[in-house]
Amino acid sequence: QSALTQPASVSGSPGQSITISCTGTSSDVGGYNYVSWYQQHPGKAPKLMIYDVSNRPSGVSNRFSGSKSGNTASLTISGLQAEDEADYYCSSYTSSSTPRFGGGTKLTVL
Amino acid sequence: EVQLVESGGGLVQPGGSLRLSCAASGFTFSSYWMHWVRQAPGKGLVWVSHINSDGSGTSYADSVKGRFTISRDNAKNTLYLQMNSLRAEDTAVYYCARDDSGGYYVMDVWGKGTTVTVSS
Repeated sequence: QSALTQPASVSGSPGQSITISCTGTSSDVGGYNYVSWYQQHPGKAPKLMIYDVSNRPSGVSNRFSGSKSGNTASLTISGLQAEDEADYYCSSYTSSSTPRFGGGTKLTVL
Repeated sequence: EVQLVESGGGLVQPGGSLRLSCAASGFTFSSYWMHWVRQAPGKGLVWVSHINSDGSGTSYADSVKGRFTISRDNAKNTLYLQMNSLRAEDTAVYYCARDDSGGYYVMDVWGKGTTVTVSS
């Protein structure tokens, strides 16, 4: 199974907003509202940031939001902060009843 | 505190075996599906396997099917991954993760990972 498609990198200045896309097919992203987003700092474990397309776990800043249109899900981070610099991965439930991760996006805060 | 701690990683020769463990604490382990996810050096996250809450159901990525076996001991609050016929491409950090969605792959708690290196 190939990974969901994410841009390799995005960047933004402090205070700005950025959006990371995650493109799949009707057999995964487009077919289910089970898209999650994870943040991973270098050398650390992933952290759940968004689940079920747009829900935030307790403790995650409301600067993080998620959405979906067709086969593409998106993670938006508003009011960028230096601590947001990390790798971000989407994942989706699939018609095979297994998950598929995106290839990851490196966010640089300029 | 909810916690997952992996152990058992190390250096192994191609064709060898390793068993990873993941000790859970701070939550009712027997109520949750669990996963193994791996990350090769400099690469992205890849799902490896899952097991349902009572251990009666498992699933594997095609790349490890027939070589890896996931299991759990709910009495010991421990998840396992038996890895046989290891290949160089299995070299990765292996994370265990808790599924908070009953099988829809919302991984809300992760361990810090254990490193597996397959090399001669």
